[in-house]
Amino acid sequence: DVVLTQTPPTLSATIGQSVSISCRSSQSLLDSDGDTYLNWLLQRPGQSPQLLIYSVSNLESGVPNRFSGSGSETDFTLKISGVEAEDLGVYYCMQATHAPYTFGPGTKLELK
Amino acid sequence: QVTLKESGPGILQPSQTLSLTCSFSGFSLSTYGMCVGWIRQSSGKGLEWLANIWWNDDKYYNPSLKNRLTISKDTSNNQAFLKITNMDTADTATYYCARSPPFNYGSFDYWGQGVMVSVSS
Repeated sequence: DVVLTQTPPTLSATIGQSVSISCRSSQSLLDSDGDTYLNWLLQRPGQSPQLLIYSVSNLESGVPNRFSGSGSETDFTLKISGVEAEDLGVYYCMQATHAPYTFGPGTKLELK
Repeated sequence: QVTLKESGPGILQPSQTLSLTCSFSGFSLSTYGMCVGWIRQSSGKGLEWLANIWWNDDKYYNPSLKNRLTISKDTSNNQAFLKITNMDTADTATYYCARSPPFNYGSFDYWGQGVMVSVSS
């Protein structure tokens, strides 16, 4: 199975600060069809996960554009340009290139 | 408006079979490329993908549980189902169903609220 490693495990930020979360894969996530199926999700406290970014850098409908994704092959980054209070929670990367789909362990974003 | 809602027994004894239902609205599992998946979340193992079922009845299972999982659907009634046999305390988790749309392969864009399942003797 593909192992996704996220750093840091915990991130403390002030409102308005820009932060980045890294997701590294044990295998290249570039699919034979040319796409890279790496997604980012946010789970707010007491809620279900919510899709933020799909296929590395595509912003899901309704997600604020302060969220952006980048990367390729095995190294990916989620950036939040100006943290807001509603962004607090646990961020997960997830890959769907290789079966079985797998998730990273999560990065908890909290207020400093 | 897309919604999904899971339902299940809540509490099971070890060795019993878990039967979960995902009732959804706002989309059809007969639409080309549409998929519904099941994912669970436990404190010990984080998020774990279990199985997917596609509009054409293709099914994918997580090999780590494959022999225990059965996914199915009732397109007419907008429902998907998951059965897990031989439940163990390690299967205690919140179980989610989620939609994977035809134009964004491998992404789950709508999730249910989850159903907590506890396995205890």
